[in-house]
Amino acid sequence: SQQGEEDPQALSIQEGENATMNCSYKTSINNLQWYRQNSGRGLVHLILIRSNEREKHSGRLRVTLDTSKKSSSLLITASRAADTASYFCATLPSGYSTLTFGKGTMLLVSP
Amino acid sequence: EPEVTQTPSHQVTQMGQEVILRCVPISNHLYFYWYRQILGQKVEFLVSFYNNEISEKSEIFDDQFSVERPDGSNFTLKIRSTKLEDSAMYFCASSAGGTDTQYFGPGTRLTVL
Repeated sequence: SQQGEEDPQALSIQEGENATMNCSYKTSINNLQWYRQNSGRGLVHLILIRSNEREKHSGRLRVTLDTSKKSSSLLITASRAADTASYFCATLPSGYSTLTFGKGTMLLVSP
Repeated sequence: EPEVTQTPSHQVTQMGQEVILRCVPISNHLYFYWYRQILGQKVEFLVSFYNNEISEKSEIFDDQFSVERPDGSNFTLKIRSTKLEDSAMYFCASSAGGTDTQYFGPGTRLTVL
């Protein structure tokens, strides 16, 4: 079955450092979306990358997609303490409109 | 900026009771969804809704669940007879198109005692 799995499960860095999170999936997709969730709160959409795109930027975020390897990465540059949250990738399988979420990466950014 | 809203933010109910969770999707969106997240687990898809009917549903979405769009703005999820294992955060989402960004609401935390 379709799965997005993030790696690492947890990441601890200092403010100013870059954070890289990876996501792997198993079947063909229409797009892949990254979300952020602060503890016990809602899901905030960060960026969507379509299957025919290889890289997208939004502010301090950079997302790559390699459909041949069925993987994506999210890079947060110059991290801030406010970036502390869980980050999820969610894949939209081809032919469907439902997202499949991974387990997420917990990012802790220390001042 | 338009956003998805959900009420209530927290609902506590007794096992066997019916609950209705409410959502107001973004006004010009055509696709609506419910997801849930059991504490410490993945976000799971429940159901999608388009053109006044269910378009997809998961195995979780059994006969105890139903969705409705009673008017032009609200989108509801009803659980007829709640079970302990229904305790979770329930998220509503909406999108303009079926392959577009899905915007999530803040969630309703359902606690079944």
